[in-house]
Amino acid sequence: DVKVTQSSRYLVKRTGEKVFLECVQDMDHENMFWYRQDPGLGLRLIYFSYDVKMKEKGDIPEGYSVSREKKERFSLILESASTNQTSMYLCASSFRLSNQPQHFGDGTRLSIL
Amino acid sequence: DQQVKQNSPSLSVQEGRISILNCDYTNSMFDYFLWYKKYPAEGPTFLISISSIKDKNEDGRFTVFLNKSAKHLSLHIVPSQPGDSAVYFCAASARNYGQNFVFGPGTRLSVLP
Repeated sequence: DVKVTQSSRYLVKRTGEKVFLECVQDMDHENMFWYRQDPGLGLRLIYFSYDVKMKEKGDIPEGYSVSREKKERFSLILESASTNQTSMYLCASSFRLSNQPQHFGDGTRLSIL
Repeated sequence: DQQVKQNSPSLSVQEGRISILNCDYTNSMFDYFLWYKKYPAEGPTFLISISSIKDKNEDGRFTVFLNKSAKHLSLHIVPSQPGDSAVYFCAASARNYGQNFVFGPGTRLSVLP
């Protein structure tokens, strides 16, 4: 069974802090993704990576960066957290082949005060 | 402009009856579609998919129908059970979009006992 693990379920940080969200998958997937989920907007893609050291911007990359130093781990970084980054953050992974579903972690509910 | 739309934010159905969730898309290049189910405080779980070469795919109580000319797909759940109460996301991808999916905003299904 695919396992995508996000390091924190709930996180509270202050405005201006640097925030790290970690994600690990155990299925040797090439692709990894970071989304945020907001009411009425569905899942919006922040960044994705098709391989180690590779990263591509998604639809809403502003204010975020990512790091993929190992195949199984994909980190999302909020360089200077702001209140509009309060959201549910979801990590996903998939095989590189086309027409493959993405498998999601349970999410991190991040609150920026 | 949302490329994937789910125009019903919520739907209530009696246990044992059919649930029909609808999804419309605007990009004619989309050729692979999925449905995800999400419970509160959990990540989305892959439910069922369909490729554009088909117009129907069935898996137990779940059937997805695709009408390419109308750019419309629907998920049928028969019979509906209280455990089906969740938010359902429709997602679409296109070969020239890589392995990225575009998600709809979701429909909250409530199955009433």
